[in-house]
Amino acid sequence: EDQVTQSPEALRLQEGESSSLNCSYTVSGLRGLFWYRQDPGKGPEFLFTLYSAGEEKEKERLKATLTKKESFLHITAPKPEDSATYLCAVQEVGSGTYKYIFGTGTRLKVLA
Amino acid sequence: DGGITQSPKYLFRKEGQNVTLSCEQNLNHDAMYWYRQDPGQGLRLIYYSQIVNDFQKGDIAEGYSVSREKKESFPLTVTSAQKNPTAFYLCASSITAWGTLYEQYFGPGTRLTVT
Repeated sequence: EDQVTQSPEALRLQEGESSSLNCSYTVSGLRGLFWYRQDPGKGPEFLFTLYSAGEEKEKERLKATLTKKESFLHITAPKPEDSATYLCAVQEVGSGTYKYIFGTGTRLKVLA
Repeated sequence: DGGITQSPKYLFRKEGQNVTLSCEQNLNHDAMYWYRQDPGQGLRLIYYSQIVNDFQKGDIAEGYSVSREKKESFPLTVTSAQKNPTAFYLCASSITAWGTLYEQYFGPGTRLTVT
């Protein structure tokens, strides 16, 4: 069964302490991998799309990278406002449908 | 401003009653989606629609129904057949082209509580 696994489930960082979140997937062929940020009680907010291994995208303190089996979301010198749940989703090549497979997310807490 | 609206934000119903959640978008997106989010389980797809007057079941469609009569609107009905309807419901829309799914834009969500 196609799966998307995110780790860790939860992460606590001190302000300024850089770290990485992982998203691994087992789909047979990747059409696209997406990262979202979700604040409590709100809908997810789109961050990045990655389409091919080796691709990187950056936005402020966030940098997303992609390999053939996983993606990393690197957070450099995080601030308390970066606290949120980060979701990863993939679309599989040849699925014939417009569907994502979502991971369960990483809950990030950045302490001042 | 373009975006997706969901209403109401909070909804309370008695067990055995059907309830309809509203979702409207003005992004001119063809595809629309309904997800259910429960703690620790991520987003699960209920229904999706790639074009007006057409929709497909997602992974957990039992006890739910939808319609897509207009491009802008994709209402979700939670029926009394849904065994555990209390959850956070999210609507989303996206551009689609040639088999590629682009990023989804989500609404603010509706929290449904059934007692």
